[in-house]
Amino acid sequence: AQSVTQLGSHVSVSEGALVLLRCNYSSSVPPYLFWYVQYPNQGLQLLLKYTTGATLVKGINGFEAEFKKSETSFHLTKPSAHMSDAAEYFCAVFSGGSNYKLTFGKGTLLTVNP
Amino acid sequence: DSGVTQTPKHLITATGQRVTLRCSPRSGDLSVYWYQQSLDQGLQFLIQYYNGEERAKGNILERFSAQQFPDLHSELNLSSLELGDSALYFCASSVSGTRVGVTDTQYFGPGTRLTVL
Repeated sequence: AQSVTQLGSHVSVSEGALVLLRCNYSSSVPPYLFWYVQYPNQGLQLLLKYTTGATLVKGINGFEAEFKKSETSFHLTKPSAHMSDAAEYFCAVFSGGSNYKLTFGKGTLLTVNP
Repeated sequence: DSGVTQTPKHLITATGQRVTLRCSPRSGDLSVYWYQQSLDQGLQFLIQYYNGEERAKGNILERFSAQQFPDLHSELNLSSLELGDSALYFCASSVSGTRVGVTDTQYFGPGTRLTVL
């Protein structure tokens, strides 16, 4: 069975600082990995996804993530935080199989301080 | 705006009652997914329909059921409601949702917030 662990339920950064949100996954087969963002009172929006190929994936709003198989990680980064990045971020994994579903992490709330 | 619509936006009801949540997928999307987001359990997959047929089941309680109609809209029925069913219920849609289309992006609706008193 697949699982996702997001380290840190709350991350706080200053505007302009590096954003690093950590995600580790467990999967018995090569996974597909996703990062979603949820702004207050809104649904989830896909930031980026890894399926196959290049392990460094670029997404919207300047975010990127790197798939590291040896570390079973898919950490999300952004070089310079903006106030508008304040939101909750969810890492998710899909590993195929007969039960066809995305498994989400518990989420990381990102706060950006002026 | 993802193109996925959900109604109602908010729903307040009492324990033991039954409610129906509605979802209209993006134009052209054949798959609909239902998720429950609560403080206790986080974001959990409930069920997926593809072109009217149930495709996959997640952590959906027996008190809950769903269906997808010929026009591809979907309804999630929650019955014998309990306090613990209070949550945000999301619907998402994707073009395919088949094994080949697993990497289809799932587009999420704004959610229905259910409060059970």
